[in-house]
Amino acid sequence: GENVEQHPSTLSVQEGDSAVIKCTYSDSASNYFPWYKQELGKRPQLIIDIRSNVGEKKDQRIAVTLNKTAKHFSLHITETQPEDSAVYFCAAKKVYGGSQGNLIFGKGTKLSVKP
Amino acid sequence: DAGVTQSPTHLIKTRGQHVTLRCSPISGHKSVSWYQQVLGQGPQFIFQYYEKEERGRGNFPDRFSARQFPNYSSELNVNALLLGDSALYLCASSLGGQTLYSNQPQHFGDGTRLSIL
Repeated sequence: GENVEQHPSTLSVQEGDSAVIKCTYSDSASNYFPWYKQELGKRPQLIIDIRSNVGEKKDQRIAVTLNKTAKHFSLHITETQPEDSAVYFCAAKKVYGGSQGNLIFGKGTKLSVKP
Repeated sequence: DAGVTQSPTHLIKTRGQHVTLRCSPISGHKSVSWYQQVLGQGPQFIFQYYEKEERGRGNFPDRFSARQFPNYSSELNVNALLLGDSALYLCASSLGGQTLYSNQPQHFGDGTRLSIL
């Protein structure tokens, strides 16, 4: 089955710096890759997603890149702010006949942005 | 519009008991998925339901069961509770319908924190 590896497990940056979180997946048939932000005690919130027919997607300070050949995708946060501090999860999913499939999550990256 | 709502927010049970967790999806969403999140880990898929039918099942024992109602709300049941069942149980909804087989975003509720003593 699908396996998603996420690195690093913790990341500390200064306010204003960039942060990059990387994930690799094992199933080449996976075709949907969302990123979730989870603050302490709160729900995972979808912040950006990318489909396998696209190599890059950007939304203000957040961008995601996908390399299907290498089976890895990355989250880039620019101009980090203290409110970006949270745990970030990557996930992968494949849609196949008869089922929408399910999300397979990485283990998370705890991002700390220091003022 | 209300998001995904789950009840109860917290629950304390003892080993051997059973528990029922409830989820109401976002209005218009017909698909519901359940996940278990152990502290320090990513969510793990348990079930997906659409139109009252099970559409996917994760690697969980038969003590876990679920169902979906005509109004698309869902219940997760866990029997014979074990200490290892202590976790945050998350419900996520997505559109379903004609777009069931497309890549639709899943939106999560706040979860039910289940503690087993």
